[in-house]
Amino acid sequence: EVQLVQSGAELKKPGESLRISCKASGYSFTNYWIGWVRQMPGKGLEWMGIINPGDSDTRYSPSFQGQVTISADKSITTAYLQWSSLRASDTAMYYCARHTEDCSSNLCYAIPERWGQGTLVTVSS
Amino acid sequence: QSVLTQPPSASGTPGQRVAISCSGSTSNIGSNYVYWYQQLPGTAPKLLMLRNNQRPSGVPDRFSGSKSDTSASLAITGLRSEDEADYYCAAWDDSLSGVVFGGGTQLTVL
Repeated sequence: EVQLVQSGAELKKPGESLRISCKASGYSFTNYWIGWVRQMPGKGLEWMGIINPGDSDTRYSPSFQGQVTISADKSITTAYLQWSSLRASDTAMYYCARHTEDCSSNLCYAIPERWGQGTLVTVSS
Repeated sequence: QSVLTQPPSASGTPGQRVAISCSGSTSNIGSNYVYWYQQLPGTAPKLLMLRNNQRPSGVPDRFSGSKSDTSASLAITGLRSEDEADYYCAAWDDSLSGVVFGGGTQLTVL
């Protein structure tokens, strides 16, 4: 059974660093892109980026490029989302998602398919 | 402001048919498949529809999807109370080189 189990809720202060995790099991970790989606309180879904655990190829949404770091450790089938300096505006639920590759007539891309349970990050002084 | 446009809310009574629209552009819906996600209250999203109109295993056939040019639609027939949730459309955007979502539609079963 495919499972994505995320780390627990975090309460941090502005300026602090943070890394949250997503432990994958039940499938070949290096065969699927894995990524992160943000959901701010009462708002919709925002795609942040993905990583290929096999070769660490990482792609970011322009909105999140330079704001966060996505990484993965294939030896322990775990993906990470990291901030070096949190802001109050980073307060949100963060979901990891296994992505499935699909192809239209002109290119191939990755789409969220299976989701973790979410990690609530609260940044407040 | 989301790249894909959905109505913020929709409603229906049990047994009714309801449709949720999703509007995009040539760089996303017009070029690529549309996907739909269901987010029940307090839970993570779940993939409901892929490749415009294909249901993953376990999704009831009460749910159907369609796409025309730069718009898509999710239809739910035989509405049930357990369908009350937020529904999101999504597509790959060639210009942004990433996945874009609609703002979500909150479905209420009256």
